[in-house]
Parts: sequence; structure tokens; C-alpha cells
Amino acid sequence: QKEVEQNSGPLSVPEGAIASLNCTYSDRGSQSFFWYRQYSGKSPELIMFIYSNGDKEDGRFTAQLNKASQYVSLLIRDSQPSDSATYLCAVISRNNDMRFGAGTRLTVKP
Amino acid sequence: DTEVTQTPKHLVMGMTNKKSLKCEQHMGHRAMYWYKQKAKKPPELMFVYSYEKLSINESVPSRFSPECPNSSLLNLHLHALQPEDSALYLCASSQDPDTSLSNEKLFFGSGTQLSVL
Repeated sequence: QKEVEQNSGPLSVPEGAIASLNCTYSDRGSQSFFWYRQYSGKSPELIMFIYSNGDKEDGRFTAQLNKASQYVSLLIRDSQPSDSATYLCAVISRNNDMRFGAGTRLTVKP
Repeated sequence: DTEVTQTPKHLVMGMTNKKSLKCEQHMGHRAMYWYKQKAKKPPELMFVYSYEKLSINESVPSRFSPECPNSSLLNLHLHALQPEDSALYLCASSQDPDTSLSNEKLFFGSGTQLSVL
């Protein structure tokens, strides 16, 4: 089982819709969870981080964490074509190093 | 200054060459990282330096040799690479490896796109 799993996509949503990106992790001792956005040929850029169960909102982005289910998600409201990118879920394991999921490629169609 | 600067941005080298990748940050971060990213794959951790000491080496071949001359600089020395080593090499830093995990937000450089011929 991979440490961090994501659906590779591609996920396609129309402009203005809600995009939902999901991630599961295997290490129950993980405590910190991150979502990075990566445009093609560019480096990853931190969008959201979450440490506690529940929802965390920042503008159009909402991160959701459920530690019992070992599940973290990212919702993007009012999706824009500029949101088209690969979204990487990252988890800090109990070994204190950051592991990335394979990424979900999101396409927002005008 | 909230940047992690990597040079060069692009590098083409032969299998017998010796080259170095450089990374610099002036945010006072005490942990620095090298990641390797192949196309359409996630970043893979290679090395972690914590307070200028190598703390994690993810079984990386010896043809990759990291060096941390001081708290602001991180180098990756390359020698006798193989074509399959062609990838985007990302440097990252984070604030303080000894604080709570909640501070482990990575700041990435723009990467060096390496091609080995």
C-alpha cells in the first residue's frame, strides 16, 4: 500500500463548479497534511495545510481532514481555468518527513 | 526574502561529466531538502539536512553527493549519472526541524531540469 494515495485523474470540471480532490494516507500517526499546486514545468506551491479534524477554509479553498478514516480532501469553489494544475497531497509521517501522493491533474474548462 | 533560489535552471550533461546543483535560502530555515521529480510523478525525497547535518538519505546512489556548507546553502554534486537520472531536481527548506510538526511547511525552489545524455 502506498503511503499517500490520490486518484491521478484527470479530473475535469466546468468553470464555476466545485472541484473535489481526495487523498488517503496509510500512516495513522501522521499529523500534518498539505495540499500543493503544481503547474506543468513549475515547482510545487503550498495552497493549504491542516492539522486538526474538520474543515479549514481559505478563500475558495477548503481542506477537510478525517483522521479516523485517514482521509484528507481539498474543495475548490467557483473553479477557474487558472486552477488547472496538478494537485499534490502531502503528509508528514511519524518519521517526520514529507511524503507526496502521485497528484491529481485538474482541468477547469471555460 | 521568502525565496528558495536554485541554479542552474536547466542543465545538460554527459554521463562522464561532473556538475553541481546549487540551492540558497535566506529565510533562516534550518532544514533543507533535495527532491527528485520525474515527469507526471510526485516529488521523491532524496536527502534531508537538519542544522547542516545530513539526517535522511533515502538510499540514493552514491553518484549523487549532497553538501551543506552552511545554513543557507545546499549543493548536490553529480558524477557519472545515467540517462534515467534525468528529472527535475527540487530544493526545499522548512523553518525548524525540531519544532512541532505544524511548522514543517516546505518552501520549494523553482527546480533544476536535468538532462543526462
